[in-house]
Amino acid sequence: DQQVKQNSPSLSVQEGRISILNCDYTNSMFDYFLWYKKYPAEGPTFLISISSIKDKNEDGRFTVFLNKSAKHLSLHIVPSQPGDSAVYFCAASAGFQKLVFGTGTRLLVSP
Amino acid sequence: DVKVTQSSRYLVKRTGEKVFLECVQDMDHENMFWYRQDPGLGLRLIYFSYDVKMKEKGDIPEGYSVSREKKERFSLILESASTNQTSMYLCASSRDRGEKLFFGSGTQLSVL
Repeated sequence: DQQVKQNSPSLSVQEGRISILNCDYTNSMFDYFLWYKKYPAEGPTFLISISSIKDKNEDGRFTVFLNKSAKHLSLHIVPSQPGDSAVYFCAASAGFQKLVFGTGTRLLVSP
Repeated sequence: DVKVTQSSRYLVKRTGEKVFLECVQDMDHENMFWYRQDPGLGLRLIYFSYDVKMKEKGDIPEGYSVSREKKERFSLILESASTNQTSMYLCASSRDRGEKLFFGSGTQLSVL
């Protein structure tokens, strides 16, 4: 049972435009959500997180939105840059349980 | 910054070999994890450990075992490597349970 779903395996955007990556979850007990970025042949690196008491968190060009009623999480990248091309994983946890990861979305930002 | 070091970036082994993947973290983290990443399947948890000499099965433990004799070191063992274990293996650690993970650079294992 896939508790965290990233339904879009890939996304292509032009440099300077907005990238929106989506993530849906089924477990209403999840209270902490994260996004990771992964380049080929490297380990994932932490990007941004949000707890369930908030609905938005910003860090520079990256903003994560949480819609608890819809069980939906999104990552906005504005403006997108070619260096943002990577695979993005969303992840969630409930209390002190281990993180559950989505299957990833490959973002390609073209010049 | 947390550093999680995996002993090999690339590894080629033959079917039936016993394979050891080593991981060391330098931030005194309690929790350590082994994942594998395959295209279209995301990150799948193999084993994890919340303390020294402690281990728990993840979602796909079959064909693997682990060892945690020291807090900073977590080893993944493929008892008898098979071709379907060709994958990118990622080690991670965290300070507290449910918190963000710090990942190593990964080991790309090919089993021929």
